[in-house]
Amino acid sequence: EDQVTQSPEALRLQEGESSSLNCSYTVSGLRGLFWYRQDPGKGPEFLFTLYSAGEEKEKERLKATLTKKESFLHITAPKPEDSATYLCAVQGNTGNQFYFGTGTSLTVIP
Amino acid sequence: ETGVTQTPRHLVMGMTNKKSLKCEQHLGHNAMYWYKQSAKKPLELMFVYNFKEQTENNSVPSRFSPECPNSSHLFLHLHTLQPEDSALYLCASGRGANQPQHFGDGTRLSIL
Repeated sequence: EDQVTQSPEALRLQEGESSSLNCSYTVSGLRGLFWYRQDPGKGPEFLFTLYSAGEEKEKERLKATLTKKESFLHITAPKPEDSATYLCAVQGNTGNQFYFGTGTSLTVIP
Repeated sequence: ETGVTQTPRHLVMGMTNKKSLKCEQHLGHNAMYWYKQSAKKPLELMFVYNFKEQTENNSVPSRFSPECPNSSHLFLHLHTLQPEDSALYLCASGRGANQPQHFGDGTRLSIL
């Protein structure tokens, strides 16, 4: 069965302290891996799509990477406004369903 | 107006009430989705529509009834809900397989 595990569940960083979030996945034929950011009281906001191992995408302080078993979201020199829950989802080649992880709650302290 | 818009943002209803959630997308997408988000749980896919046709129903109880009159609008009709149905209901749209989904801000539903 397709599934996604995110770690850590929660992460507290000092402003400027770089770190990485992990998304491990099991899927039958990866069609795509997706990263989202969710702020309290809001819906998930799309960040990146990765399609094949070795692929990387960057946006401001965020960089997403992909291997055959996991994806990392690297946050470089985070700011308080980067505080949010980061969600990972995968889509396999059986059906149209996205499988989401439970997310990593990131808090960046000034 | 752009993106995916959901109304109402908050809804409190009794177990015997009937209400509807509305979703509208202005992105020109052909696929629309309903998800349920509960605390500490992954997003649960409920229904998928492609070009107005329902393509997935993830064993959702019949007290939830979706309707998709066109590619831009999606409804979720609710009746005789249970307290465990209290959650954030999210609508999303997308271009289909292996394309990202774009979400609205959800309806926070509370069942008394």
